[in-house]
Amino acid sequence: QVTLRESGPALVKPTQTLTLTCTFSGFSLSTSGMCVSWVRQPPGKALEWLALIDWDDDKYYSTSLKTRLTISKDTSKNQVVLTMTNMDPVDTATYYCARMRYYYDSSGYHPFDYWGQGTLVTVSS
Amino acid sequence: QSALTQPASVSGSPGQSITISCTGTSSDVGSYNLVSWYQQHPGKAPKLMIYEGSKRPSGVSNRFSGSKSGNTASLTISGLQAEDEADYYCCSYAGSNSVVFGGGTKLTVL
Repeated sequence: QVTLRESGPALVKPTQTLTLTCTFSGFSLSTSGMCVSWVRQPPGKALEWLALIDWDDDKYYSTSLKTRLTISKDTSKNQVVLTMTNMDPVDTATYYCARMRYYYDSSGYHPFDYWGQGTLVTVSS
Repeated sequence: QSALTQPASVSGSPGQSITISCTGTSSDVGSYNLVSWYQQHPGKAPKLMIYEGSKRPSGVSNRFSGSKSGNTASLTISGLQAEDEADYYCCSYAGSNSVVFGGGTKLTVL
């Protein structure tokens, strides 16, 4: 079955760089149409899409956070890594990775069908 | 990428039906049939309930249904049950390889 699990530091200091790893099983990111995204959720607030990487190594980012984000994959390890630079207390959130697919007929990415359990990252000095 | 608009809260009694709206623009909801809905219980990860606007994943109750008209998508839950009390989020492909979520709706089962 498909599973995803996020890992990374629970606490980072302001201005530091956050590195999160999503380790998944049950599918391969080398399979045509497969994608992995990162989504975050500040405490008590809504979900926010951050970035996605697809089977073809295409990478896309939220416009508002594009300058701070980098997403990459290691297909052999079934891992996707997200880095976010210049962390600020407003970036305190639960960070999720989730699987997506590319819909060829609609030319779009959709939906988030499997999610990790999330990892809470607190930004504080 | 402005967030899709959802009502902050809705409520209903057991057995009743409720509908949650999700309003976007002609650049997202109105342009693609790639609207999805997620249920999130406190402290849990979101769960996919509806995809492609109206399709249910295997295992999701047929009490959940989705539709779309113009720039607005809707999630209807019929025969409300206590376990349906949760936060619900809509999501749409927004073109230019981006995705946008709604602000979320808290469903209270009275």
